[in-house]
Amino acid sequence: GQNIDQPTEMTATEGAIVQINCTYQTSGFNGLFWYQQHAGEAPTFLSYNVLDGLEEKGRFSSFLSRSKGYSYLLLKELQMKDSASYLCAVAPEDKIIFGKGTRLHILP
Amino acid sequence: IAGITQAPTSQILAAGRRMTLRCTQDMRHNAMYWYRQDLGLGLRLIHYSNTAGTTGKGEVPDGYSVSRANTDDFPLTLASAVPSQTSVYFCASSDRPGGEAFFGQGTRLTVV
Repeated sequence: GQNIDQPTEMTATEGAIVQINCTYQTSGFNGLFWYQQHAGEAPTFLSYNVLDGLEEKGRFSSFLSRSKGYSYLLLKELQMKDSASYLCAVAPEDKIIFGKGTRLHILP
Repeated sequence: IAGITQAPTSQILAAGRRMTLRCTQDMRHNAMYWYRQDLGLGLRLIHYSNTAGTTGKGEVPDGYSVSRANTDDFPLTLASAVPSQTSVYFCASSDRPGGEAFFGQGTRLTVV
């Protein structure tokens, strides 16, 4: 079976750094994705990790440890527009399974 | 503009009626997916297709059917809608099975 866990909600302050964790147990692994979803909109792709280590893309970074079944998304220099849900997703072979998402609230 | 298009944007449907949600992509992606998103439950995979002519069951396939007659289109059919199928439905595609997925704008379906 597949199981992907991430916190339901987090709160952080504008300008700060926040780390959103994701743990997974899947039968097969072809990569891990992070998506951003603003309320009422479709998810949009943020990052993809298939090898262990850190992938950096501007203010966002994503880390993967396959042996631990663990990933995190790091958001730096938080802006109000970063208020959104962040979805961790795993590709166990030929499909993409999502966690329930983490709703991130940014306080001014 | 290249992308993935869903229709309708929203629909109110009487229980027991048949409904087909349409999804078309012009990116020549091989894989396509249908998800439903419900508050507190996240995105759940209904059905998927790795290439034209093939389909597979996802996490919550009951009450839904799909077909993939060509690369571009992946319709989702509710044979006899029930209120528990009230949800926001997202279609997505990726160039390869399990690859980075691009999402349509979603269809908000209410079954009454």
